[in-house]
Amino acid sequence: DAEITQSPRHKITETGRQVTLACHQTWNHNNMFWYRQDLGHGLRLIHYSYGVQDTNKGEVSDGYSVSRSNTEDLPLTLESAASSQTSVYFCASSEHATSNTGELFFGEGSRLTVL
Amino acid sequence: DAKTTQPPSMDCAEGRAANLPCNHSTISGNEYVYWYRQIHSQGPQYIIHGLKNNETNEMASLIITEDRKSSTLILPHATLRDTAVYYCIVRVATGLSSASKIIFGSGTRLSIRP
Repeated sequence: DAEITQSPRHKITETGRQVTLACHQTWNHNNMFWYRQDLGHGLRLIHYSYGVQDTNKGEVSDGYSVSRSNTEDLPLTLESAASSQTSVYFCASSEHATSNTGELFFGEGSRLTVL
Repeated sequence: DAKTTQPPSMDCAEGRAANLPCNHSTISGNEYVYWYRQIHSQGPQYIIHGLKNNETNEMASLIITEDRKSSTLILPHATLRDTAVYYCIVRVATGLSSASKIIFGSGTRLSIRP
């Protein structure tokens, strides 16, 4: 079955380190998204992409970057991790074909702790 | 994408219908209403979506007002497993615009009591 997977599921790092969270989907979806979720907040959009070589900033993009070199993957990089980036990160994908539900499919999340 | 307004929390007795409201007064003509839910520590899960007409599937029903400025998600016979945060969002479903900023609000925390 097609799926969307995130790795690592849990990571602890130190302030100032570079961290990359992986997101891989096998649906061949054009659209991919990264969200973060903190206590007391809903999901907040970090970056999104509607195809290879396309990336766009979301609500809370400062301190994060993404790249889209193929359809399947949208890695999220924290260039210099800060304690404020301790959060649970969710990746999602959807199709933008003319006939589909537009449903977002979410991964299981990556819990990042920055000490 | 249009913004939505939902009550922060609700509760419902097990076996009864849970009715979750959502206001989306600035919705555009080509935007759909989507509902997702998030059970603790899991990724959000799609429930249902609609444009103008009421919709029903195996999980829930979606009632959209005639002016499309609000909607209600109905879980007909709530169970303890329906305890979750429910998110209402509005967005374009297809085409390149479907990748535009999809904004989730804080949602409604639904608690089902035995």
